[in-house]
Amino acid sequence: NAGVTQTPKFQVLKTGQSMTLQCAQDMNHEYMSWYRQDPGMGLRLIHYSVGAGITDQGEVPNGYNVSRSTTEDFPLRLLSAAPSQTSVYFCASSYLDRDGDTQYFGPGTRLTVL
Amino acid sequence: DAKTTQPTSMDCAEGRAANLPCNHSTISGNEYVYWYRQIHSQGPQYIIHGLKNNETNEMASLIITEDRKSSTLILPHATLRDTAVYYCIVRVGGTYKYIFGTGTRLKVLA
Repeated sequence: NAGVTQTPKFQVLKTGQSMTLQCAQDMNHEYMSWYRQDPGMGLRLIHYSVGAGITDQGEVPNGYNVSRSTTEDFPLRLLSAAPSQTSVYFCASSYLDRDGDTQYFGPGTRLTVL
Repeated sequence: DAKTTQPTSMDCAEGRAANLPCNHSTISGNEYVYWYRQIHSQGPQYIIHGLKNNETNEMASLIITEDRKSSTLILPHATLRDTAVYYCIVRVGGTYKYIFGTGTRLKVLA
């Protein structure tokens, strides 16, 4: 298994540009999520999904869109990038397990908005 | 929303036990406590989780107080490779929202 993969690894955008961060998992996990991590800070949940066609907002959803058309993929879209969105973005996935759901994280995408 | 409180940083001598505390006084009765760690800028790595009882796996032990308002992660024999930021996480009751705090930066000293 490749686990959780994220592309690109690095990205530089200009203010106002749009882009999509890709996330894929090959473990057939129902749950997928996106976090951002600002320098020296913990992770903050942006959006999450409990299955194909189902998404919901996390702590900091403004400026980001998501969709979940397949179990495997959960892309994150920045509609109009702003310098405040400069951050490291992590995608994670897990089973929805009644005994506790272990999240597997991708390697991250480092985004700089100029 | 449920949240956790952890010390900002801790040091531990190599080979000694590292005890990392976490307060989660607003945790719901059926919600788990999770521990993850992040080495450098890599994606966080799962360590252990628990509900009421103490738990142990190959990486660590988790001690949860009887009232469930706090817990302690124990790394029994810390090594230099355990230097990382450790996050104690709870899930917001009735949702799949996981709230990370700022974590504890553990430095294992040679």
